[in-house]
This record gives sequence, structure tokens and C-alpha cells, in this order.
Amino acid sequence: GDSVTQMEGPVTLSEEAFLTINCTYTATGYPSLFWYVQYPGEGLQLLLKATKADDKGSNKGFEATYRKETTSFHLEKGSVQVSDSAVYFCALSANQAGTALIFGKGTTLSVSS
Amino acid sequence: DTAVSQTPKYLVTQMGNDKSIKCEQNLGHDTMYWYKQDSKKFLKIMFSYNNKELIINETVPNRFSPKSPDKAHLNLHINSLELGDSAVYFCASSQDSARTQYFGPGTRLLVL
Repeated sequence: GDSVTQMEGPVTLSEEAFLTINCTYTATGYPSLFWYVQYPGEGLQLLLKATKADDKGSNKGFEATYRKETTSFHLEKGSVQVSDSAVYFCALSANQAGTALIFGKGTTLSVSS
Repeated sequence: DTAVSQTPKYLVTQMGNDKSIKCEQNLGHDTMYWYKQDSKKFLKIMFSYNNKELIINETVPNRFSPKSPDKAHLNLHINSLELGDSAVYFCASSQDSARTQYFGPGTRLLVL
């Protein structure tokens, strides 16, 4: 079945450091790919998405490119802030109506000043 | 003007009790979902409804029963609560053509 693998955390960085969180997927067909973020004690917020190969999703300085050849959707940010500390989830959705999101296990990011 | 709302936000109860969690969305979406997040933060689908019709029913104990009175609401009733039901339950909704799901703030259930 479809699955998502993302790097284990926690990831600990200093403010202004470069961030990469790796995400790879296994799926039949052409899924849509997402990054969600969960701040402490809160719900899931959509961070960015891409719906086809070579699409780049971006939001709040974060970006990720849908790479079909490597089945990857790595999340990057050039300069992290303390306020970026959160849990980041990579997810996929098969291109069928009403299908569920399949999530990776989440990566905890901690940014210190 | 909250898009997806859930009540209650916190729920502390005793083993064996029956409880309900309510979800409402004002986005005009036609599909709604329940996800469970365990203590390790892993998220898994439980149910989904499209236009009040059940379309996903994962391997979940019969004690869990979803109900969708209309397109904008999806409630989750849990009978005979067990310690292992302690988790965060998230409601989400989507418009099928867009695939993107929008999540509620979660209900933190603690069974003692």
C-alpha cells in the first residue's frame, strides 16, 4: 500500500540555520503531496502542497519540490526562526475522491536563539 | 469564522463511559474525516464521509461510531471507553476536487 517515510527527529537547529527534512513516498499513480505543521498544543495546519511532478510548493519561506524520479518531497527553509519550532508531517493523498491522507511519522524541529 | 471546529477541546473521563465529540465545518466541503493521533504523534485515518455517506471505515473497534447529520457536521461517538482510547482526535474536511484537507484544532481525550 501507499506509504510515507520521513526522517526521524528531533532536529535541533540554531536560529538562521538551513533546514532540510527529508520525505520519500511509495504510491501507485500520481498522488498529491503535502506538508502539514503542528505547533505545540495545536491542530494541523497546511504548510504547502504539490499536485504533480516538478511542482514546487512554498509558504512562509518553506518550500518543497515534487520529485517523481526520486519519489521525494523534501522540505527546506533557508533561515529558520524560533517560531518555526513544531512537528512537521509529510503526507500523500491518492488522486481519488475522498481518499484519506497517509502521513509520515512526523519530525520534531526545535530552534534555539 | 473558524473553518473546522471541534468540541470539546479537552475531554477527561473514566473507563467504561460513553462520550461524543462534535465537528462542524463552514467551508462548504462535501467530505469530512476523523483521524486519531497517538501518543507518538502518529496520525491515522478512522472514518470519512462524503455527502453524509460513509466511504472510509478503517479497522476501528465497533465502539467507535461516526454520524453525519448533514454535510457540515460529523460527530464521533465512543462507547465503553478504554485506556487505549486516550489520544488526540482530529476532524478534517475537503472539497474532493481539491484534495487538500483542512483540520480542526483537535480533541484531547484522556481516559482514566
